Amino acid sequence: AQSVTQLGSHVSVSEGALVLLRCNYSSSVPPYLFWYVQYPNQGLQLLLKYTSAATLVKGINGFEAEFKKSETSFHLTKPSAHMSDAAEYFCAVRDSGGYQKVTFGTGTKLQVIP
Amino acid sequence: NAGVTQTPKFQVLKTGQSMTLQCAQDMNHNSMYWYRQDPGMGLRLIYYSASEGTTDKGEVPNGYNVSRLNKREFSLRLESAAPSQTSVYFCASTPTGMTYGYTFGSGTRLTVV
Repeated sequence: AQSVTQLGSHVSVSEGALVLLRCNYSSSVPPYLFWYVQYPNQGLQLLLKYTSAATLVKGINGFEAEFKKSETSFHLTKPSAHMSDAAEYFCAVRDSGGYQKVTFGTGTKLQVIP
Repeated sequence: NAGVTQTPKFQVLKTGQSMTLQCAQDMNHNSMYWYRQDPGMGLRLIYYSASEGTTDKGEVPNGYNVSRLNKREFSLRLESAAPSQTSVYFCASTPTGMTYGYTFGSGTRLTVV
């Protein structure tokens, strides 16, 4: 089964600093990868997705992620953090077989310091 | 444009009580899912329904049952609630196809005492 690993359950950055949230996947076939964001007391919202069309994927709210096959990584970045970015972020991979269900990482909570 | 609607938003149960969590989507999606979210564990799949009329177990199905009532609705039932089922439950839906992400409901926060 495919899986994702998120390094760091908590990340703190200063407002205006670079945001880097790490995600590595394990897959024997080209994966379909996603990043979701969860604001407090809300459901998850799709930020961006990699579906093999382009290795650099742009999402909502200024986030982007780069698929690196050689590193089996799909890290999420944003050049300049904003206070409103404080949330929990989940990396996820979609199974290529079966019923194509999604497996989520354990999440990274982003704190933005004024 | 409601998306995925879950009811109720909050619930407190006593051990041994039963309840059904409701989920409905208005996007004509084929596939629907129930996840539970616990601190430090991410989201874990309980049950899913690839299409109307089919349901299958996920990672953590014990203590739960589901019904795909029609294309729109997918309910999750706890027959005899246990404290270990205290969690936040999310319903999600998606069209058929590898490139689609999920659309999530806003969740049900369940406490079993």
